[in-house]
Amino acid sequence: SQQGEEDPQALSIQEGENATMNCSYKTSINNLQWYRQNSGRGLVHLILIRSNEREKHSGRLRVTLDTSKKSSSLLITASRAADTASYFCATDAKGYSTLTFGKGTMLLVSP
Amino acid sequence: KAGVTQTPRYLIKTRGQQVTLSCSPISGHRSVSWYQQTPGQGLQFLFEYFSETQRNKGNFPGRFSGRQFSNSRSEMNVSTLELGDSALYLCASSWGQDHGELFFGEGSRLTVL
Repeated sequence: SQQGEEDPQALSIQEGENATMNCSYKTSINNLQWYRQNSGRGLVHLILIRSNEREKHSGRLRVTLDTSKKSSSLLITASRAADTASYFCATDAKGYSTLTFGKGTMLLVSP
Repeated sequence: KAGVTQTPRYLIKTRGQQVTLSCSPISGHRSVSWYQQTPGQGLQFLFEYFSETQRNKGNFPGRFSGRQFSNSRSEMNVSTLELGDSALYLCASSWGQDHGELFFGEGSRLTVL
C-alpha cells in the first residue's frame, strides 16, 4: 500500500483562490517532499520539509508538517491557471529504502 | 546545466517484444532511480542505482532489469512485453544516496499493442 496518500484526489478552483492539498502517511519519516507534474511530463520538485521542521515557505507555496498526526499540507496561495497540474507528496520513511510517492491530487485552476 | 535526458520519448511495441530505455542524469549526479507511472497504480518504484550498483529494487517481475554505467548513465530493459507494461517510465537523478530532492526527466511513454 502507498506510504503517502493525498487528499483530495481532485480539486477545482478559480484563479486567485488558494488551494490546499493534504498528505497522510503511515510510518515515521526522515523527510517529506512535494512534487508537481504537468500532464504527461516529468515531476518537478517543489519543497522538502524535514521531520524536525513544522513549516516551510517557497514563494506562493507553504508546506506544513504535523508528525504527531502523520500529515502534511501544501498551500498554494493566489492560484494561477499555470498551477494546473498534479501534485504528489513523497515520503522518505524510516524502514523504507526508497522515496515513496502517493497517487497525487489533480488541481485545476480556471481563469 | 542540462537536465535529466530520457530517450526515446515515445515508443510503440507489440506484445512479446523487448524494449530498452535510456537515462542520462544531470552531470555530477551518481544516483539514478526509475519509476513506472500508470493511471491505476500511480508512481511505482522500479530500481535505484548508485555508482553502478543496484541499491534497491521494487516489486516487479524479473522481466524488468536495469543497469548503470561508469558515467552514471542508466538503462532499463523490459523483456517479453505485456499489455500492462504500457506506462510512462520516469528516470530521476540525485547527487548522493540520501533521499533528498530528485530531478526527473520527461519520461519515456511506452505503448504495448
